[in-house]
Amino acid sequence: DTEVTQTPKHLVMGMTNKKSLKCEQHMGHRAMYWYKQKAKKPPELMFVYSYEKLSINESVPSRFSPECPNSSLLNLHLHALQPEDSALYLCASSSSLKTPEAYLNTEAFFGQGTRLTVV
Amino acid sequence: QKEVEQDPGPLSVPEGAIVSLNCTYSNSAFQYFMWYRQYSRKGPELLMYTYSSGNKEDGRFTAQVDKSSKYISLFIRDSQPSDSATYLCAMRATGFQKLVFGTGTRLLVSP
Repeated sequence: DTEVTQTPKHLVMGMTNKKSLKCEQHMGHRAMYWYKQKAKKPPELMFVYSYEKLSINESVPSRFSPECPNSSLLNLHLHALQPEDSALYLCASSSSLKTPEAYLNTEAFFGQGTRLTVV
Repeated sequence: QKEVEQDPGPLSVPEGAIVSLNCTYSNSAFQYFMWYRQYSRKGPELLMYTYSSGNKEDGRFTAQVDKSSKYISLFIRDSQPSDSATYLCAMRATGFQKLVFGTGTRLLVSP
């Protein structure tokens, strides 16, 4: 099973709302990622968690707050977003570089994304 | 210069054609290479994964990596209208968790 599940599939929120995106995987991967993708552009990395610790933050504004409560779950908390934050938000998972046996098997699997519209 | 260059297309071919998609890169530290297929408004789907140089085949898909030329390719044989999508190359350097993506090539296969 190479499935990464994201909920919700669609989300419309106002600029004063607080909402959360959720991601789940059961592949035993210890690295999980959030990406943002605008139309006709490649995914842009936002955050990486490795063994439930934040290892990369690509200078993302604080209105985006990631959380990794356990090895299977990844959340992205949203607050006071702007209309330009409207995009497809993708979660991905892979083996962590800290996992010795994963030396060769580090391909990343993506979820279907949450299409976020900020109004 | 971008780290990974990919022609955005669109690339239009008739059904049954052999399709060649390519990426070039500048970072010689890249060792892990991936090809993803992405349908409109969906997440990227992993098609092929290759470590270092060489060829890899899976059904109608063949991935090639030429590290000496810093050039990777994805070949699709007997292309089908259902192959119409955007194809993204992605790569990673040893010791780095971050994937670097090409811009994606839009492929259109007409019946």
